[in-house]
Amino acid sequence: EIVLTQSPGTLALSPGERATLSCRASQSVTSSLLAWYQQKPGQAPRLLIYAASSRATGIPDRFSGSGSGTDFTLTISRVEPEDFAVYYCQQYGTSPRTFGQGTKLEIK
Amino acid sequence: QVQVVESGGGVVQPGGSLRLSCAASGFTFSRYGMQWVRQAPGKGLEWVAFIQYDGSNQYYADSVKGRFTISRDNSKNTLYLQVNSLRVDDTAVYYCAKGSASLENWGQGTLVTVSS
Repeated sequence: EIVLTQSPGTLALSPGERATLSCRASQSVTSSLLAWYQQKPGQAPRLLIYAASSRATGIPDRFSGSGSGTDFTLTISRVEPEDFAVYYCQQYGTSPRTFGQGTKLEIK
Repeated sequence: QVQVVESGGGVVQPGGSLRLSCAASGFTFSRYGMQWVRQAPGKGLEWVAFIQYDGSNQYYADSVKGRFTISRDNSKNTLYLQVNSLRVDDTAVYYCAKGSASLENWGQGTLVTVSS
């Protein structure tokens, strides 16, 4: 199975700063079929990005995704107070579909 | 609007069984693949299973293969997950989600606790 490794484990930033989250795959992700999700405490995850770089419906344009092959990045251009949460990447090009372990974005 | 609502969770002893349900509304259920994802307390997300829009194909995580069965009833707009031979490490919130590829819409989850 494809193992996804997210870094850093925790990212401490102040509102207005730029956030860069990494997701590295143990082998190439088929057709860049990689998604990013946001999860806040006590809530279900929410889809942010699919196909590596396409924003889901209703997602603000401060969120962007990039990458291909084995290296993918989620960028938040200017972090807003509501963005502090845990972020997961997931590859869905190969079965079994797998998630990364998550990156927690916390307030500095 | 799109809504999926899970039910059927509870407390069960090791070796026991449950059937989880997911009622869908706000979209044409029979046109979409559906998936189950779980999250153990305080842990990350784990993909569990996928079923094609017409039920013709199913895929499972290795950790549940042979014990869990995903199915659907398109006439009732409902997704199911039959969970058998439960183990303590199956304790988790189980989410259903709409989508054959990325997980577009999620329910709030149903908690399964496996404990003696």
